[in-house]
Amino acid sequence: NAGVMQNPRHLVRRRGQEARLRCSPMKGHSHVYWYRQLPEEGLKFMVYLQKENIIDESGMPKERFSAEFPKEGPSILRIQQVVRGDSAAYFCASSNSHQETQYFGPGTRLLVL
Amino acid sequence: KQEVTQIPAALSVPEGENLVLNCSFTDSAIYNLQWFRQDPGKGLTSLLLIQSSQREQTSGRLNASLDKSSGRSTLYIAASQPGDSATYLCAVRPRAGNNRKLIWGLGTSLAVNP
Repeated sequence: NAGVMQNPRHLVRRRGQEARLRCSPMKGHSHVYWYRQLPEEGLKFMVYLQKENIIDESGMPKERFSAEFPKEGPSILRIQQVVRGDSAAYFCASSNSHQETQYFGPGTRLLVL
Repeated sequence: KQEVTQIPAALSVPEGENLVLNCSFTDSAIYNLQWFRQDPGKGLTSLLLIQSSQREQTSGRLNASLDKSSGRSTLYIAASQPGDSATYLCAVRPRAGNNRKLIWGLGTSLAVNP
């Protein structure tokens, strides 16, 4: 059973471009969470999704950021018009139910030039 | 608002020492608490999960305790090895309705020297 997969592992964008980060949960998991780890800061919750639904997006910046978890395919975290302050490691986690441990992917390290 | 603090921020010990990492949280209304390990440039590995009704969990040389009333957890590492060198993160899941997000500490950076 493959773990949580994220791609790309590293992403370089110039200011103003779009960044798309993908997360494939563990097989059988229907809950996906996105966290961001800024340099020298702790991880911060961004958004929690179930298939086709956003359950909690209280940690998402109000502009430029969006997330989806379609019926088929991976969850996507999309950042439009990236700025240097978006440079961070973005981690995805998945779980089977609210009782289960969240299993984390290896992260996508975004660098905005 | 739940806040998680980890002390110390960094720790350097010689190989073979037993050591304790501390985690405190401000709101005792939690669903569970997890300890994770993060290696440089890598992802997060879950080490131990303690449900709010539990007092401790053990896995190999690791033992984590939870005192919910005082808002504290400790991670005990026995007979430390150089391979234990990593950042150790503590995260709590608040008990609040449908809340499933984790609130994280900043971590303790551990270096075990041969």
